[in-house]
Amino acid sequence: GAVVSQHPSWVICKSGTSVKIECRSLDFQATTMFWYRQFPKQSLMLMATSNEGSKATYEQGVEKDKFLINHASLTLSTLTVTSAHPEDSSFYICSARAGGSMNSPLHFGNGTRLTVT
Amino acid sequence: GESVGLHLPTLSVQEGDNSIINCAYSNSASDYFIWYKQESGKGPQFIIDIRSNMDKRQGQRVTVLLNKTVKHLSLQIAATQPGDSAVYFCAENNNAGNMLTFGGGTRLMVKP
Repeated sequence: GAVVSQHPSWVICKSGTSVKIECRSLDFQATTMFWYRQFPKQSLMLMATSNEGSKATYEQGVEKDKFLINHASLTLSTLTVTSAHPEDSSFYICSARAGGSMNSPLHFGNGTRLTVT
Repeated sequence: GESVGLHLPTLSVQEGDNSIINCAYSNSASDYFIWYKQESGKGPQFIIDIRSNMDKRQGQRVTVLLNKTVKHLSLQIAATQPGDSAVYFCAENNNAGNMLTFGGGTRLMVKP
């Protein structure tokens, strides 16, 4: 089945530093990937849609200059949390569709636990 | 905005019993629904999906029911096992957007 891989699975960084999270589709190409954020005991909230070869689309309230997204190839999207602060600590999850249709399930990576101290 | 929500935040069932997890959605334009299972510290895992032109779909030990009249979705798990313990999310996709909106989640706890 379709596999989405995220790296790292967890990261601890100091306040003010930047952290890059990678999302790869291992056995399929994804022109679109999605980045979600999940706080403890809460649901997944869509942050942005990553588009290969073009700018990402951000959801309302998500700062595009803080959460930099780069989708340079059909199998890789990266999310960089710039100047991270403790309130950015969260579980970041990426996803992609293996099928071209919007009516096909998203496959998720195993998430990245970010802790900002 | 429109959202998907759940009735019960926590469901506790005895091993071997059937489980029913419910979900209400508000966007009548949604035409595709998915149930995901999320174990602690992991990403959501696809369980089963259903399109709006259907009202029932069965998988292995799982059944999804869709009632478009009352905008209600349910996931039934037969013979619940300890390995089914997780948080379950429903998600909807309306054809206008290439993304999923997730409900609040229900934690399923299976008692041995």
